[in-house]
Amino acid sequence: DAGVTQSPTHLIKTRGQQVTLRCSPKSGHDTVSWYQQALGQGPQFIFQYYEEEERQRGNFPDRFSGHQFPNYSSELNVNALLLGDSALYLCASSSWGREQYFGPGTRLTVT
Amino acid sequence: QQQVKQSPQSLIVQKGGISIINCAYENTAFDYFPWYQQFPGKGPALLIAIRPDVSEKKEGRFTISFNKSAKQFSLHIMDSQPGDSATYFCAASSDDNAGNMLTFGGGTRLMVKP
Repeated sequence: DAGVTQSPTHLIKTRGQQVTLRCSPKSGHDTVSWYQQALGQGPQFIFQYYEEEERQRGNFPDRFSGHQFPNYSSELNVNALLLGDSALYLCASSSWGREQYFGPGTRLTVT
Repeated sequence: QQQVKQSPQSLIVQKGGISIINCAYENTAFDYFPWYQQFPGKGPALLIAIRPDVSEKKEGRFTISFNKSAKQFSLHIMDSQPGDSATYFCAASSDDNAGNMLTFGGGTRLMVKP
């Protein structure tokens, strides 16, 4: 049984560019949450998708947007990249209301 | 307040010893408290979780102790092994929904010396 998968593994972008990260949830899961983890810190919640709608949102600007597809996979989009957006982006999946399981993350470096 | 405060930031324990990591929270709406283990280059892995209706939960060498009145909870790792060397995060969520937004502590880097 495949766990949560994320792509790409690593990404290098230039300030001002846009980026799209992808997540496939664990089989049987219908909810996807995205977190940002800066180096040496705990993950911070960005937003959560369920039934293709954003259900919760953390304290992140509108430059961060997302989407969930009918097959429950999800994308995280970040526009107008800043140096401070450099981080590990984690996707977590769950069945609605149940514990969250994390993927390996996408390491984004903004130069 | 949404913060979860975790201590210590780093911990060194001898093989076979007990590792203890503490967390404190302010938001009384929190009602689900998981612990995650993260190895370098990997995503956090769910270790064990507790809800406020019990004061202790044990799974193998891992035990969560929960003090609702003090708004504190802790992770005890018994018989610590070098393979336990990792960063540990406590977290919390609310509304009786484990899938809700998780608020994480700052993490504890554990090193178990052989």
